[in-house]
Amino acid sequence: GEDVEQSLFLSVREGDSSVINCTYTDSSSTYLYWYKQEPGAGLQLLTYIFSNMDMKQDQRLTVLLNKKDKHLSLRIADTQTGDSAIYFCADLYSSASKIIFGSGTRLSIRP
Amino acid sequence: DGGITQSPKYLFRKEGQNVTLSCEQNLNHDAMYWYRQDPGQGLRLIYYSQIVNDFQKGDIAEGYSVSREKKESFPLTVTSAQKNPTAFYLCASSSTSGRLFDEQYFGPGTRLTVT
Repeated sequence: GEDVEQSLFLSVREGDSSVINCTYTDSSSTYLYWYKQEPGAGLQLLTYIFSNMDMKQDQRLTVLLNKKDKHLSLRIADTQTGDSAIYFCADLYSSASKIIFGSGTRLSIRP
Repeated sequence: DGGITQSPKYLFRKEGQNVTLSCEQNLNHDAMYWYRQDPGQGLRLIYYSQIVNDFQKGDIAEGYSVSREKKESFPLTVTSAQKNPTAFYLCASSSTSGRLFDEQYFGPGTRLTVT
């Protein structure tokens, strides 16, 4: 069935890199997204990658896509306290015109 | 400033009462969406609308209703038929000059508690 999976928690030290992983099942994905949700707030689009790309870099963010393994990752370089949030990956299906969100990874930063 | 507003931020209702959640956007977006978020779960789509006076059911539409009389507004009514209405509700919009569901802008959410 349709599914997007993420681990629920990640803890990193301030200044280190964070890597948040996501796997998906759909073979007809067109775009994959990363959204950030701060406590008590809505989601904010961070970045996205087209399914025929392997990598996209945007300042401190690097997205890697392994289409063969259906694996998506978000790397945040030099993680700061302001990066504490829940990060959702989402998969846009071209065939069914729908979007599936993962359950979110809560990133916590330790000093 | 362009954006999406949802009101109120917190809402409390007694079981058996209908309640309407407000969502307004001034981004001139054609498409609008309602999601439900439960702890430890991803967002689940309730309803979406691509254009005024038209809307489609999402994955969990039962017990909810919507209207889209104006481009800027997409209110969601949680009816007494919704068995487990307590949740965080998120409204979003996107420009359909691209793809439906693409690059969504989210409101701040309404936390509904039904007792």
